[in-house]
Amino acid sequence: AQSVTQLDSHVSVSEGTPVLLRCNYSSSYSPSLFWYVQHPNKGLQLLLKYTSAATLVKGINGFEAEFKKSETSFHLTKPSAHMSDAAEYFCVVSEGGVNRDDKIIFGKGTRLHILP
Amino acid sequence: GAVVSQHPSRVICKSGTSVKIECRSLDFQATTMFWYRQFPKQSLMLMATSNEGSKATYEQGVEKDKFLINHASLTLSTLTVTSAHPEDSSFYICSALDTDTQYFGPGTRLTVL
Repeated sequence: AQSVTQLDSHVSVSEGTPVLLRCNYSSSYSPSLFWYVQHPNKGLQLLLKYTSAATLVKGINGFEAEFKKSETSFHLTKPSAHMSDAAEYFCVVSEGGVNRDDKIIFGKGTRLHILP
Repeated sequence: GAVVSQHPSRVICKSGTSVKIECRSLDFQATTMFWYRQFPKQSLMLMATSNEGSKATYEQGVEKDKFLINHASLTLSTLTVTSAHPEDSSFYICSALDTDTQYFGPGTRLTVL
């Protein structure tokens, strides 16, 4: 069965410093992995996705994530935090494909705080 | 990227009334759409999977007679909360599946008085 663990419920970093949001997953098959961002009272925006191509995935707003099968991790990083990055971040795993059950499993989320 | 809209963004209704929420994929066709509910400061809970032209599949514990889902076309799914009660107040988010990625709507804040 698939599952997602976001190791930190809250992360605080200073503006201009690197961001690391951790995510570990378990999956019976080759998973697709996603990171979504949710700003307060807003819907979810796709940051990036891994679907069995390059293991280092670049997303929007300077974010990237690396798929490490040996560590079953898909951590989200950004070299330099900006105040506008303050939001809730969700790591998501899917075992589905075009012709399969496309349900996805959400992590519990990590609230990113940016300190001035 | 793919765009999904929801309408309305906010709705306030009286207890006992029904509320319809629309979810549209604006620039792609979506055979499959999903409806989620999000409680404050929590992750999303999948309520049901909506497939165009067939009955929705509801997750365990979700009342199908209370949360009516209709996926009448490849770009539109609706969620109707029937006989709403204050405990139904929540943030409802839909998503539409484009190939292998779900794209989310902006959400609908439902408040039942």
